[in-house]
Amino acid sequence: DARVTQTPRHKVTEMGQEVTMRCQPILGHNTVFWYRQTMMQGLELLAYFRNRAPLDDSGMPKDRFSAEMPDATLATLKIQPSEPRDSAVYFCASALENTEAFFGQGTRLTVV
Amino acid sequence: AQSVTQPDIHITVSEGASLELRCNYSYGATPYLFWYVQSPGQGLQLLLKYFSGDTLVQGIKGFEAEFKRSQSSFNLRKPSVHWSDAAEYFCAVAASGGYNKLIFGAGTRLAVHP
Repeated sequence: DARVTQTPRHKVTEMGQEVTMRCQPILGHNTVFWYRQTMMQGLELLAYFRNRAPLDDSGMPKDRFSAEMPDATLATLKIQPSEPRDSAVYFCASALENTEAFFGQGTRLTVV
Repeated sequence: AQSVTQPDIHITVSEGASLELRCNYSYGATPYLFWYVQSPGQGLQLLLKYFSGDTLVQGIKGFEAEFKRSQSSFNLRKPSVHWSDAAEYFCAVAASGGYNKLIFGAGTRLAVHP
């Protein structure tokens, strides 16, 4: 059963600490998305990659957020330093070109 | 710019009643349209999608949606709601062709009364 895997599922960290979230896309998918979900803003697209190259990261605060795909089986989203306003659920999704995206279970981040 | 509007934040229906969730999109060309469902604490699951062709599309769990270009709408329907359908529903749009990205609506939270 192919699925997008995100780790960790939950993360509690102190303000100022570095946070790294990982995503394993479905094998063969060449597009990876990072979304952030909050009560106030809903689902926001942070960044997306096609064939491991970043296509759009305009939704991401550049000063503290970074997203990479070291290889086709791993996408990472890093926050350094983290702030309480970063508390949210972060979703990764993967897709083939021009087809539907499949979402992971999300990483629930709490910054205290 | 692409955008999606889901006018109803909350909807409550009785079990067995019919359901229609509204979605309006803004996009200049023919869009790709999607409905996703999110149960509490879970990720998003695709219910159905429209890329082209027949404007009435069938999805999983007995859902269907109709694409109406003239109204820029893609409403989700189900003839008889089950208690397990209580969840949050998101409509999304993507640019057709080429490299695309999903833009989501704010979501509609569905409650089902027994």
